[in-house]
Amino acid sequence: GAGVSQSPSNKVTEKGKDVELRCDPISGHTALYWYRQSLGQGLEFLIYFQGNSAPDKSGLPSDRFSAERTGGSVSTLTIQRTQQEDSAVYLCATSLWGFNQPQHFGDGTRLSIL
Amino acid sequence: DQQVKQNSPSLSVQEGRISILNCDYTNSMFDYFLWYKKYPAEGPTFLISISSIKDKNEDGRFTVFLNKSAKHLSLHIVPSQPGDSAVYFCAASFQGAQKLVFGQGTRLTINP
Repeated sequence: GAGVSQSPSNKVTEKGKDVELRCDPISGHTALYWYRQSLGQGLEFLIYFQGNSAPDKSGLPSDRFSAERTGGSVSTLTIQRTQQEDSAVYLCATSLWGFNQPQHFGDGTRLSIL
Repeated sequence: DQQVKQNSPSLSVQEGRISILNCDYTNSMFDYFLWYKKYPAEGPTFLISISSIKDKNEDGRFTVFLNKSAKHLSLHIVPSQPGDSAVYFCAASFQGAQKLVFGQGTRLTINP
């Protein structure tokens, strides 16, 4: 498809397990962002990748969270030793480049930690 | 520290009338503002944006107004249609930090 693709769409896991979320960007988009939306909250920035530059990790809530972007394309967000407060919708967005460009979002992964 | 605020959690408007959604911000470094629309179980969809060098941008039924002195922006939808019922988020960014800072969202309901 032409849009941002995220998988899985839903993930239910037990507390303490590791999870990996995937984002396939729009072809040609060099900037990639991860956000999360907790219940009743706005979107919260997590991490930003731009080309080959070092990622902006300033939004990651703890060292249990990490992300990588291989070959400037697909990105994975990994949460280790999940906690119940990690339950949220995790959204990926991409844009042509970073400055003053609209970001286009995928439909997100709904993560539920039991 | 809520840098972008949408003080109305919900708004109800009659079909055909104007919908006005408001957003306030505190960081004077923001220079790019956007509005997104979100349906349940879908990601936000980009609607319209405005750079801080402008005070108005129009795209079809959607117009965004920016008042830099008041640190306020608004989205006008006219005429409102039932398909406009959704949650609307305003967002802001500045060149030094490409991440978007979002408001809490306003749920718009268009009544027939």
